[in-house]
Amino acid sequence: DVKVTQSSRYLVKRTGEKVFLECVQDMDHENMFWYRQDPGLGLRLIYFSYDVKMKEKGDIPEGYSVSREKKERFSLILESASTNQTSMYLCASGLRRDEQYFGPGTRLTVT
Amino acid sequence: GEDVEQSLFLSVREGDSSVINCTYTDSSSTYLYWYKQEPGAGLQLLTYIFSNMDMKQDQRLTVLLNKKDKHLSLRIADTQTGDSAIYFCALPSIFGQGTTLQVKP
Repeated sequence: DVKVTQSSRYLVKRTGEKVFLECVQDMDHENMFWYRQDPGLGLRLIYFSYDVKMKEKGDIPEGYSVSREKKERFSLILESASTNQTSMYLCASGLRRDEQYFGPGTRLTVT
Repeated sequence: GEDVEQSLFLSVREGDSSVINCTYTDSSSTYLYWYKQEPGAGLQLLTYIFSNMDMKQDQRLTVLLNKKDKHLSLRIADTQTGDSAIYFCALPSIFGQGTTLQVKP
């Protein structure tokens, strides 16, 4: 079974803090993705990575950056958290870009 | 760019069939997907259809694809309370808003 894990299920941070969301997959997948999920908006792609140290912007990259130093780990970074980044963050991985297995999500609240 | 639209809510009675609809603006995707999200959980791949197919059946699930109208649907036969969830239609990396399916006993 594919396993995608995310470091926290729930996270509360203050405005201006630097926030790291970690995602780890155990299936040697090349592709990894970060989405945010908001009610009525579905999932929106923030960034994805198709190889170690490679990254591509998704639809809403502003305010975020990513890091992929090892194949199994893909980190999402909020350099200076803002209240409009309060959301559910979902990580996914896959062998192909159109094959995605999702982690359980991290619900981030920025106060 | 590509866009995917779904209605936000569907309510059915247990035992009835559910039909969740999705429209998209354009797709060069090889596959189109349906995901299920149960409360408090991540997304689970439910089924998918190859873009050259019109229909795919998988137990209680039937996926219909009308490429001319850019319309995708998911039919759940004999809907159970355990089917209550949010269902997302997706081109790879482009997701609809999600349809919340409520199943009443």
